[in-house]
Amino acid sequence: EDKVVQSPLSLVVHEGDTVTLNCSYEVTNFRSLLWYKQEKKAPTFLFMLTSSGIEKKSGRLSSILDKKELFSILNITATQTGDSAVYLCAVEYVAAGNKLTFGGGTRVLVKP
Amino acid sequence: DSGVTQTPKHLITATGQRVTLRCSPRSGDLSVYWYQQSLDQGLQFLIQYYNGEERAKGNILERFSAQQFPDLHSELNLSSLELGDSALYFCASSGTGGWDGYTFGSGTRLTVV
Repeated sequence: EDKVVQSPLSLVVHEGDTVTLNCSYEVTNFRSLLWYKQEKKAPTFLFMLTSSGIEKKSGRLSSILDKKELFSILNITATQTGDSAVYLCAVEYVAAGNKLTFGGGTRVLVKP
Repeated sequence: DSGVTQTPKHLITATGQRVTLRCSPRSGDLSVYWYQQSLDQGLQFLIQYYNGEERAKGNILERFSAQQFPDLHSELNLSSLELGDSALYFCASSGTGGWDGYTFGSGTRLTVV
């Protein structure tokens, strides 16, 4: 069964700190890996990664994929209290449809 | 507003009952996906419809069913409800202009008492 594992489960940091979130996967026929941010309700899309070694950036957030070692990292620099959320990693594999297999998420709490 | 509309936002019902959750995808999106999020299971894929046809199926219980109508809205029917069905049910949609991930609706929180 396809598996996506995120670590750590949770972390607490102070504003201005940098956080690194990990996502490893055991997915055959990999197609893409996606990161989402979930605050109160709906997950919101952050990044989609398909190629190994190419960093995607959006402001203080960045992510990179290693298809050889089957993992991805999400970095958040200069954290702010608004970054407090659950960060979800999901993997899509080649199959009928665009089903995503989600990891359990990392809960990030940024304290002032 | 993500453009994906789910109703109702909250639902409280008794065990054994049947409920229907509704989802309207973003304008122009043909694919609709249903996910269940519970505290101990995370986000679990239930089912996908594409332009009215079932496209992919996850670990959806036999008590659950879904359909997508000609106007592309979708309904998820949950019957013979059990306490363990209490969860957040998300609908998501995606477009046809290349795969760029889902857009999620705000979810329906179902509480079975």
